[in-house]
Amino acid sequence: KNEVEQSPQNLTAQEGEFITINCSYSVGISALHWLQQHPGGGIVSLFMLSSGKKKHGRLIATINIQEKHSSLHITASHPRDSAVYICAVNGGGADGLTFGKGTHLIIQP
Amino acid sequence: DTAVSQTPKYLVTQMGNDKSIKCEQNLGHDTMYWYKQDSKKFLKIMFSYNNKELIINETVPNRFSPKSPDKAHLNLHINSLELGDSAVYFCASSHGQGVAGAGRETQYFGPGTRLLVL
Repeated sequence: KNEVEQSPQNLTAQEGEFITINCSYSVGISALHWLQQHPGGGIVSLFMLSSGKKKHGRLIATINIQEKHSSLHITASHPRDSAVYICAVNGGGADGLTFGKGTHLIIQP
Repeated sequence: DTAVSQTPKYLVTQMGNDKSIKCEQNLGHDTMYWYKQDSKKFLKIMFSYNNKELIINETVPNRFSPKSPDKAHLNLHINSLELGDSAVYFCASSHGQGVAGAGRETQYFGPGTRLLVL
């Protein structure tokens, strides 16, 4: 069974800072997902990656399959980015998603 | 239009009762999922269905029974509710087809159903 570790668990930063959240997993995967959960509870899919890098607005996600590691970056962070960011992996086939414990991000004005 | 909807949003009930949570998606997706988020905010997959057929059934007590009347709906029935069933239950869907597609497509989540068992 895949073990998914995220770091840091909690992160508080000032508005404008560059943010990095890391995710590592123990077993080879077919895809990795980054999800965002707002204080209201809703979950939104940010990225689904199987290789390389993806960018959407101020968010960038990278994955290194050989090192079993992914990073989520937020440039020019803003208080509205405050949320829990969750990494999840899929091993392929009928494995389903295995989730990390999430990173609680707070961006202060 | 809401892409993935769940009802009810909140559910408070007594131990031992039987309850259902409904989920509907209007995205034309083939695969639907149920996830449980516990009090520590940890998410875990419970079930996934593809075109009305069960793909994944994690180690969930058989008091939980998903039912898919058509590929746009995946309802969750819970019998003999226990205190430990208190959690937020999220429905999600993805375009993926068949076993190979499960989990390898972008997933769209419903708003969640907050279940409290007293």
